[in-house]
Amino acid sequence: SQQGEEDPQALSIQEGENATMNCSYKTSINNLQWYRQNSGRGLVHLILIRSNEREKHSGRLRVTLDTSKKSSSLLITASRAADTASYFCATAPPWGGATNKLIFGTGTLLAVQP
Amino acid sequence: EPEVTQTPSHQVTQMGQEVILRCVPISNHLYFYWYRQILGQKVEFLVSFYNNEISEKSEIFDDQFSVERPDGSNFTLKIRSTKLEDSAMYFCASNWDTSYEQYFGPGTRLTVT
Repeated sequence: SQQGEEDPQALSIQEGENATMNCSYKTSINNLQWYRQNSGRGLVHLILIRSNEREKHSGRLRVTLDTSKKSSSLLITASRAADTASYFCATAPPWGGATNKLIFGTGTLLAVQP
Repeated sequence: EPEVTQTPSHQVTQMGQEVILRCVPISNHLYFYWYRQILGQKVEFLVSFYNNEISEKSEIFDDQFSVERPDGSNFTLKIRSTKLEDSAMYFCASNWDTSYEQYFGPGTRLTVT
């Protein structure tokens, strides 16, 4: 599998339900970031979790990181129709290394039905 | 809140033509990036730029591509002779330190015909 793979590829839920998306990666990281992309639009930064953190919250978002399993999850609680978008994880390499590029996952397409 | 801006939002060009995509990163940021996303695919890194020089580039970023920061505010991506497979959404991003989040612009959709 490639660095940054997400599952599920697509998720359809009803408004008010929770949505959980998972991301797996292969190499060491400094941090992992989640982005949202509305259809054909730009990338909006949602949350960043560092390699020494296990859980982080921001509003209705909850992110977990398990560096031993090289995986992260994004939970959106009480979803709304406006949350309909693609969600991507992106890993940032360890600080001070030869690279500082983000490596993006394949994305989860979330559809929230009103 | 400061944001990264990109122009144009959509560029249509003929194969073989040169295009310049423009970006204005957030003003106190030091690191600048270009990524691209072919329709339906994942976002791919093209190049990073720091201290007026390229710090890293991907295999995609061949001799047809170049970047420049001509005046301390703009950051441009030039494709010298566009190919059909260059059709994609191109995103500019910036951050003030490599361990912090990258802020992305809204993208330029490039269509090569």
